[in-house]
Amino acid sequence: NAGVTQTPKFQVLKTGQSMTLQCAQDMNHEYMSWYRQDPGMGLRLIHYSVGAGITDQGEVPNGYNVSRSTTEDFPLRLLSAAPSQTSVYFCASSYSGLQPQHFGDGTRLSIL
Amino acid sequence: AQKITQTQPGMFVQEKEAVTLDCTYDTSDQSYGLFWYKQPSSGEMIFLIYQGSYDEQNATEGRYSLNFQKARKSANLVISASQLGDSAMYFCAMREGHGGANSKLTFGKGITLSVRP
Repeated sequence: NAGVTQTPKFQVLKTGQSMTLQCAQDMNHEYMSWYRQDPGMGLRLIHYSVGAGITDQGEVPNGYNVSRSTTEDFPLRLLSAAPSQTSVYFCASSYSGLQPQHFGDGTRLSIL
Repeated sequence: AQKITQTQPGMFVQEKEAVTLDCTYDTSDQSYGLFWYKQPSSGEMIFLIYQGSYDEQNATEGRYSLNFQKARKSANLVISASQLGDSAMYFCAMREGHGGANSKLTFGKGITLSVRP
């Protein structure tokens, strides 16, 4: 049971670099989302998607892009990394917005 | 205004005792859902329990129950017979909307629970 798979698990970037955090799910879930978790802040929604070809912004979208070309994949792109984007990133999916979300194990990202 | 409020900074409970973790929410929607997740020190997010706004009975899942008081807008998590493995961060979350394009999950800041042997 793969569930939600995030890669990489850890990454260190320099300010200004770009990278893509990968997220894949094998449960045929329509609903996928990206969160960031910072100390004392809980999880905050970055972007979400209710199906292939449909994405929308969450609470903290600035500095991040997403696309959803397939049901399975929902990559998160950092265009020009900034130290403020140092965080733990979680990808989650669910059959619909009504259902509990299944989370990946997270990506710990540090921007120097 | 915060949509999900978890004000307890840290909770301690003796093993085998029950503990209540507080959560209040704010929404003008009639249809919404409330979730509790557990995050152990290893970092993964584990779904515990769900309560829909139209559910008449309080949700229960094994040792977890949700004390849902709609008029007071509270959705407290009750853990019975605490175990050492219950030591973790606990997050309350709310889904507003009808599950479609307007459905988003908002999390509280979390509560740390420590179970003492």
